[in-house]
Amino acid sequence: GQSLEQPSEVTAVEGAIVQMNCTYQTSGFYGLSWYQQHDGGAPTFLSYNALDGLEETGRFSSFLSRSDSYGYLLLQELQMKDSASYFCAVRDEGSQGNLIFGKGTKLSVKP
Amino acid sequence: DGGITQSPKYLFRKEGQNVTLSCEQNLNHDAMYWYRQDPGQGLRLIYYSQIVNDFQKGDIAEGYSVSREKKESFPLTVTSAQKNPTAFYLCASSLTASANEQYFGPGTRLTVT
Repeated sequence: GQSLEQPSEVTAVEGAIVQMNCTYQTSGFYGLSWYQQHDGGAPTFLSYNALDGLEETGRFSSFLSRSDSYGYLLLQELQMKDSASYFCAVRDEGSQGNLIFGKGTKLSVKP
Repeated sequence: DGGITQSPKYLFRKEGQNVTLSCEQNLNHDAMYWYRQDPGQGLRLIYYSQIVNDFQKGDIAEGYSVSREKKESFPLTVTSAQKNPTAFYLCASSLTASANEQYFGPGTRLTVT
């Protein structure tokens, strides 16, 4: 079966850089996605990595290493509004291409 | 504006009653999904539909039912057979079943007492 591991909580200060990790076990890996969810809100898509390397979109970057079954989301110049939960999700053959979500990392940004 | 709507935002029911949650999208997406989220947990897939008039069970389909008679609509019924129905329910859609990005609705928080 599939499994994903994420740290449950991370705290950082405004203006800093934070890295949130995700390790996974899957069969027939397709790609790794990241979603942001504010308390009580809808998840919103941040990024998708199918190949090894770093993808950058503004203050957000996502990294994937297929050989290590590992990825991370990097947030730079942290802002208070970045306080949210961040979920990694994998797509693989075992899930018929559907997303399997991790339990998420709750990021708290302090002044 | 294009998007996904779910109604109502909050729903209260008595144990033993069936309840239907609404999900509508005007994005012209083929694929739609229902997820359940419990406190401190990730999203778990209940049912999904890759195309109108077709749907498949996800990881936790027991006690739930769906229909997909129209492309825009994918209602979820939580039946009395679902042993622990209190949860946050999220509907999502994607352009196709293989699309990388899913778009989520605002969710319905169901409380059963």
